[in-house]
Amino acid sequence: GENVEQHPSTLSVQEGDSAVIKCTYSDSASNYFPWYKQELGKGPQLIIDIRSNVGEKKDQRIAVTLNKTAKHFSLHITETQPEDSAVYFCAATYSSASKIIFGSGTRLSIRP
Amino acid sequence: EAQVTQNPRYLITVTGKKLTVTCSQNMNHEYMSWYRQDPGLGLRQIYYSMNVEVTDKGDVPEGYKVSRKEKRNFPLILESPSPNQTSLYFCASAGGGYSNQPQHFGDGTRLSIL
Repeated sequence: GENVEQHPSTLSVQEGDSAVIKCTYSDSASNYFPWYKQELGKGPQLIIDIRSNVGEKKDQRIAVTLNKTAKHFSLHITETQPEDSAVYFCAATYSSASKIIFGSGTRLSIRP
Repeated sequence: EAQVTQNPRYLITVTGKKLTVTCSQNMNHEYMSWYRQDPGLGLRQIYYSMNVEVTDKGDVPEGYKVSRKEKRNFPLILESPSPNQTSLYFCASAGGGYSNQPQHFGDGTRLSIL
């Protein structure tokens, strides 16, 4: 079946440094790649997404890059702040955009 | 306020006792979906619906049922719950009828099956 692998599973960075989370997907027909942030006791919230016709997208301190040839995409957070501490999930659509599969998550901790 | 509402938020029950988790959205979204979240496994799609009366299996549908009689509601039914269905469940909705749009998630339902 289709698969999305996410690394690392945990990440600790100093406040102000950058954090990078990487995902690979298996379905070459996937065309939508969202990233969600989940805070304790809450449902996931979309923070940024990218479509297959774009290589990079930025929104303030957050950016996502997509390499379709290698079938991987990455989340970059710059100038990290304490409120960035959360679990982050990548995802990819498949089966003609009827289904979606999530990575296993990355717990990001920001050290003061 | 745009939201996805799940009820109950917490439930402890016993093996075999039928239960329903309700999900309602007020954004007129076509696409709705149920997920379960387990440690180390991320979110796994149980069932999804691309519009009223259109439902289909996700990756882990065994032991679950859904229905989509109205656009706003998408209940998850466990006819005969078993302990391996103990999990954190999320309902989500998205516009456009497909999974390639931003999804809005509820705050989750924690189910414990004893």
